[in-house]
Amino acid sequence: AQKITQTQPGMFVQEKEAVTLDCTYDTSDPSYGLFWYKQPSSGEMIFLIYQGSYDQQNATEGRYSLNFQKARKSANLVISASQLGDSAMYFCAMREGVWSASKIIFGSGTRLSIRP
Amino acid sequence: DSGVTQTPKHLITATGQRVTLRCSPRSGDLSVYWYQQSLDQGLQFLIQYYNGEERAKGNILERFSAQQFPDLHSELNLSSLELGDSALYFCASSVDGKGGQPQHFGDGTRLSIL
Repeated sequence: AQKITQTQPGMFVQEKEAVTLDCTYDTSDPSYGLFWYKQPSSGEMIFLIYQGSYDQQNATEGRYSLNFQKARKSANLVISASQLGDSAMYFCAMREGVWSASKIIFGSGTRLSIRP
Repeated sequence: DSGVTQTPKHLITATGQRVTLRCSPRSGDLSVYWYQQSLDQGLQFLIQYYNGEERAKGNILERFSAQQFPDLHSELNLSSLELGDSALYFCASSVDGKGGQPQHFGDGTRLSIL
């Protein structure tokens, strides 16, 4: 069965440091996609980055990169040079299949707080 | 601004009532998704529509129903409301229903049941 685990309920990081948010997943489908979303205190959900199970390279989007380790079933989000505006909840999510009627599941989230 | 519009932003009602939440997807997006976010359950996928047809179903209660209209906007109907239905309801849209497409979320409708 699909499962997403985020083991860090909260993290504190000093401004300008890099931070890694952990995400492990479980699926029996060889085709799947992994997503990261950011939810600031204002409540909106912001798409950050996507990694497909067949992608050969780790996804990157600006200061965000996804450390995809397929054999370990992990998809950690790395934020380089953290900023005060990065303080938010971060959710990892997974969807099985490429053209799929499967549901999308989200992890429980990690609350990231950036210290000045 | 994600381009996804949800109305209303806030809704306060009583137990036993029925409400309708509305979502307009981003221009060009054919697929609409509904999610419920509550403190105890986290972010739960409810249902997905693609070009008017139901595509995937998650943890949606029988008291809840949704549809996507020919103009692609979607409505989520919640009936016989209970205190536990208080939550933030998100709509998201994507270009198509493909698994790898990112979903763009609206700002949500906060539903409070008194």
